[in-house]
Amino acid sequence: SQQGEEDPQALSIQEGENATMNCSYKTSINNLQWYRQNSGRGLVHLILIRSNEREKHSGRLRVTLDTSKKSSSLLITASRAADTASYFCATEPNQAGTALIFGKGTTLSVSS
Amino acid sequence: NAGVTQTPKFQVLKTGQSMTLQCAQDMNHNSMYWYRQDPGMGLRLIYYSASEGTTDKGEVPNGYNVSRLNKREFSLRLESAAPSQTSVYFCASSGDWYTEAFFGQGTRLTVV
Repeated sequence: SQQGEEDPQALSIQEGENATMNCSYKTSINNLQWYRQNSGRGLVHLILIRSNEREKHSGRLRVTLDTSKKSSSLLITASRAADTASYFCATEPNQAGTALIFGKGTTLSVSS
Repeated sequence: NAGVTQTPKFQVLKTGQSMTLQCAQDMNHNSMYWYRQDPGMGLRLIYYSASEGTTDKGEVPNGYNVSRLNKREFSLRLESAAPSQTSVYFCASSGDWYTEAFFGQGTRLTVV
């Protein structure tokens, strides 16, 4: 399989806590992206980090990328119940004309 | 601005029937994709089209055909549906490199 892997598969936390999800991938990449999916809906883009970047922030999101280990992490700070969703990492391979490859996702549950 | 529109939203087919899933985007994107999502499997790429007039197989192309009718439209056809094709299908589009993908709301297909 070309897919990457997210870890953990499921995560349950309380409101106000931080949530960290990890992603490992297999190929050389141009960029890595994180998406969110609410139950029964399409995926929504959260953040993109390029292969020459190591860290990126967007609001309560912090993404890191370690290309030597082929891994990334997504940190959501001060989680809210509305953050309950599935989160997917997706990689764009370093190859012209290829498609995004998605991992299997992490299901985050934030309880109030 | 509608983004990515998929039709139908729901469909029930009998084994052996055929159908076409329609997808259209209004963002002038070059690349379009079809993914399927199954529980615990994340999103798997069926076919993609890097530009008008080109299509390429993804990870799970067997049992499917696609047509990139024009820059806007990318259809997915099941010639003889099988129960293993029961899934949620997502169409997506993206611009050139280093850009996010936009997803449709999905088609929930059940083959009985």
